[in-house]
Amino acid sequence: SQQGEEDPQALSIQEGENATMNCSYKTSINNLQWYRQNSGRGLVHLILIRSNEREKHSGRLRVTLDTSKKSSSLLITASRAADTASYFCATTNQAGTALIFGKGTTLSVSS
Amino acid sequence: GAVVSQHPSRVICKSGTSVKIECRSLDFQATTMFWYRQFPKQSLMLMATSNEGSKATYEQGVEKDKFLINHASLTLSTLTVTSAHPEDSSFYICSALEGKGYNEQFFGPGTRLTVL
Repeated sequence: SQQGEEDPQALSIQEGENATMNCSYKTSINNLQWYRQNSGRGLVHLILIRSNEREKHSGRLRVTLDTSKKSSSLLITASRAADTASYFCATTNQAGTALIFGKGTTLSVSS
Repeated sequence: GAVVSQHPSRVICKSGTSVKIECRSLDFQATTMFWYRQFPKQSLMLMATSNEGSKATYEQGVEKDKFLINHASLTLSTLTVTSAHPEDSSFYICSALEGKGYNEQFFGPGTRLTVL
C-alpha cells in the first residue's frame, strides 16, 4: 500500500527557477526519505530527514518536515535541465525495513 | 555508496514462460532485499521482503506462487515470474539493505519485463 501523496503530480519549470514538491503521509514515522528516478531507471537516494528534524539541506536541496501535519516538502533551488526526473518521498513500513513510496512528482525543467 | 545490480535489464518473453530476475549486492552483504514493481508513470509498490536463508514475506495481494523469491546468499536474491502473462509486464526493481547506520537501502537499476 502507498503511504504518501505527492503534489503536484507534475511540475514544469524553466531552468534557474525553484521547484517545490510536497508529500503527505498517514502514519507516524521515524524518518522520511526523498528519492529521484530518471525515466526507466532505478532510484537514487537524495536525502533523509529524521522525525525530530524540521529542516535539512544538501547542496541545492532543502527538505522540511512537519510531523504535526504529517507532511514534507522538497525544494530544489536554481533548477537545471538535468534535474528532470520523478521525485518520490518514502517512509518505512511497520517493520521499519521496507520503503513505502508516495505517488511521485514528475518534474520537467526546460532550458 | 553501495552498488546493487540487476540482471537482465530488459527481457521479452512469451506468455506462459517463466522469467528469472537476479538482484546482487556487489560490494556489501545484504541480509534483507526487497522487490518492488512499478507500472508506467506510477509509483513503486512493494511486492515482498526477501531474507537470506528464510522464506520471503509477501505483501497483501501478491501471489507467492506466481512470484517466487529465493535469497540463497547474502549477495543474491532472485525473483522468478512463473507462467508470465501480459499483465505481468512491468518494471521490477530490487533494493538491498546494507545494515549500517540508519539502514539506507540501495536500489538496483531495474528490469523491464515485457510479456507478449
